[in-house]
Amino acid sequence: GAGVSQSPRYKVAKRGQDVALRCDPISGHVSLFWYQQALGQGPEFLTYFQNEAQLDKSGLPSDRFFAERPEGSVSTLKIQRTQQEDSAVYLCASSLDAALNTEAFFGQGTRLTVV
Amino acid sequence: AQKVTQAQTEISVVEKEDVTLDCVYETRDTTYYLFWYKQPPSGELVFLIRRNSFDEQNEISGRYSWNFQKSTSSFNFTITASQVVDSAVYFCALLTTDSWGKFQFGAGTQVVVTP
Repeated sequence: GAGVSQSPRYKVAKRGQDVALRCDPISGHVSLFWYQQALGQGPEFLTYFQNEAQLDKSGLPSDRFFAERPEGSVSTLKIQRTQQEDSAVYLCASSLDAALNTEAFFGQGTRLTVV
Repeated sequence: AQKVTQAQTEISVVEKEDVTLDCVYETRDTTYYLFWYKQPPSGELVFLIRRNSFDEQNEISGRYSWNFQKSTSSFNFTITASQVVDSAVYFCALLTTDSWGKFQFGAGTQVVVTP
């Protein structure tokens, strides 16, 4: 596709349920990022991939959060045993190569609500 | 440590008025990049501009203009003759060479343009 695609757009999960959020980056983009955006706040960095390698996961808030990009294209962010504080918009972005500081293109996000 | 401050939470203007959004950043790195993104109600972050720390030339793109001043660590954004379609949240972001892919976003400024 022409842009970064995320699915689902909206997800309601019961507390304790596991969820999986998908990101399809722009074709050919080497770098992929996940950000978490709480209501009324700016996006906060979660993790970063260069191809299939996860180079930085310092922003993942707990070991309940796990991200993967096994073939260097599609990425999945998984949250286990969801808690209410996990409610946020999860944004995925991709860029040609973060090392070149090219601009990142963002998807529309997945709004997760934990009830 | 990196930090981006957008002190204005919300700005309301009437159509055709100019609006200036403030952005102040902090970093110890000498090489860094500054960005502005627009987030309309649909949720995706739309790239507007990128500047590197060595290029202090101001830039104009249509009704948008940016004023980068290293002496005051500011990267302000002006929308001239605002239109209703400019209503969105605008984020300033910082990227440094030792934190590839890890954008530091400000909290955002909500711009409301009324007819």
